[in-house]
Amino acid sequence: DGGITQSPKYLFRKEGQNVTLSCEQNLNHDAMYWYRQDPGQGLRLIYYSQIVNDFQKGDIAEGYSVSREKKESFPLTVTSAQKNPTAFYLCASSTGTGYYNEQFFGPGTRLTVL
Amino acid sequence: AQSVAQPEDQVNVAEGNPLTVKCTYSVSGNPYLFWYVQYPNRGLQFLLKYITGDNLVKGSYGFEAEFNKSQTSFHLKKPSALVSDSALYFCAVRDPLTGRRALTFGSGTRLQVQP
Repeated sequence: DGGITQSPKYLFRKEGQNVTLSCEQNLNHDAMYWYRQDPGQGLRLIYYSQIVNDFQKGDIAEGYSVSREKKESFPLTVTSAQKNPTAFYLCASSTGTGYYNEQFFGPGTRLTVL
Repeated sequence: AQSVAQPEDQVNVAEGNPLTVKCTYSVSGNPYLFWYVQYPNRGLQFLLKYITGDNLVKGSYGFEAEFNKSQTSFHLKKPSALVSDSALYFCAVRDPLTGRRALTFGSGTRLQVQP
């Protein structure tokens, strides 16, 4: 997991609350990604960013928002509009924009809605 | 569209025996293929990738994978399994023709190596 940190490790949210998950990388990577992992479904892309101040929706962006004000940071906000937010959230980054670059993952944040 | 299928939810193998974790893909163009491993409550760790060239790719921890274009497969293999190999394994693909730089992942295969 080296180079990418996510916090907190565990997060509990009451219904109706917005929460923000932190993702920081010191790898000097241009691209950053957020995935959601649910049992038996693999990883699904929420948002991604190829460059500072730019980001695009992934496959399941509804109920989530992001910002990319700094190269090293890509926070994810889970809003009250997300109907089923309980999941394991993974942040990743990759160098450049080449299709052959592997992604490096953080250790994840487990979000539970109470 | 690009997709990946991992047909086995779980693979059981005895320590010391060879292991195979299956992956098939569907893309429009030439695929870039990846294998990752995940230990409990951890992020994913990169194992290996196929970009072009030799169909047999060697990666970390003694793993290798064979790219087979005619069968659209990229199976992960290891000659001799270790108990410590027990984990969740993900296959992923990128198809440059889609313009999508994010990886598309399979649903994962849990590998259980018995002592």
